[in-house]
Amino acid sequence: DAGVIQSPRHEVTEMGQEVTLRCKPISGHNSLFWYRQTMMRGLELLIYFNNNVPIDDSGMPEDRFSAKMPNASFSTLKIQPSEPRDSAVYFCASSLEMSGSRADTQYFGPGTRLTVL
Amino acid sequence: EDQVTQSPEALRLQEGESSSLNCSYTVSGLRGLFWYRQDPGKGPEFLFTLYSAGEEKEKERLKATLTKKESFLHITAPKPEDSATYLCAVQAWGQGAQKLVFGQGTRLTINP
Repeated sequence: DAGVIQSPRHEVTEMGQEVTLRCKPISGHNSLFWYRQTMMRGLELLIYFNNNVPIDDSGMPEDRFSAKMPNASFSTLKIQPSEPRDSAVYFCASSLEMSGSRADTQYFGPGTRLTVL
Repeated sequence: EDQVTQSPEALRLQEGESSSLNCSYTVSGLRGLFWYRQDPGKGPEFLFTLYSAGEEKEKERLKATLTKKESFLHITAPKPEDSATYLCAVQAWGQGAQKLVFGQGTRLTINP
């Protein structure tokens, strides 16, 4: 039973370059979340999708960040241009949300460690 | 604004020495409180969800409890393999109801 799959696991790039992170959610899940984790700020939600539609992107730091979910089994988080302060671990998570029900459990992927030089 | 504060930041125990981790929260309307475990270099691993004050859940040496203002994660007779960072998060009713707000975590070390 595959969990959330993220690629790449590690990414080292130079300032100004474009970075694309990828995520495959758990099959059957209808919600997908992108988080960023740093020592200073902990784990923060960047954006989440429900049924492939972006619901809340208030955590996206600035216009350099964009996320897409073209179908139920794939999402990307793009940073263009990248800056050293974007260095962090980026996690993708997915859940099965049923309207009006109790809180859904989010299952996390292994993360992508991004280093921007 | 929803807030989660965890204490202590770090805790070092001897094997078999029981203790508790605290998670204090402020939320407009609690939809759920979550506990996760995170090992170095890995993603958070789900442990428990609590929905209302008075609720308790157990898993092996871990027991989570919930009041209207805080949650505790009790660890009974811990083993070295329980060493990890424990994260608490809340989800609130209303707009963006699926959003998880995390605390900074408690880094737990169990010495053999």
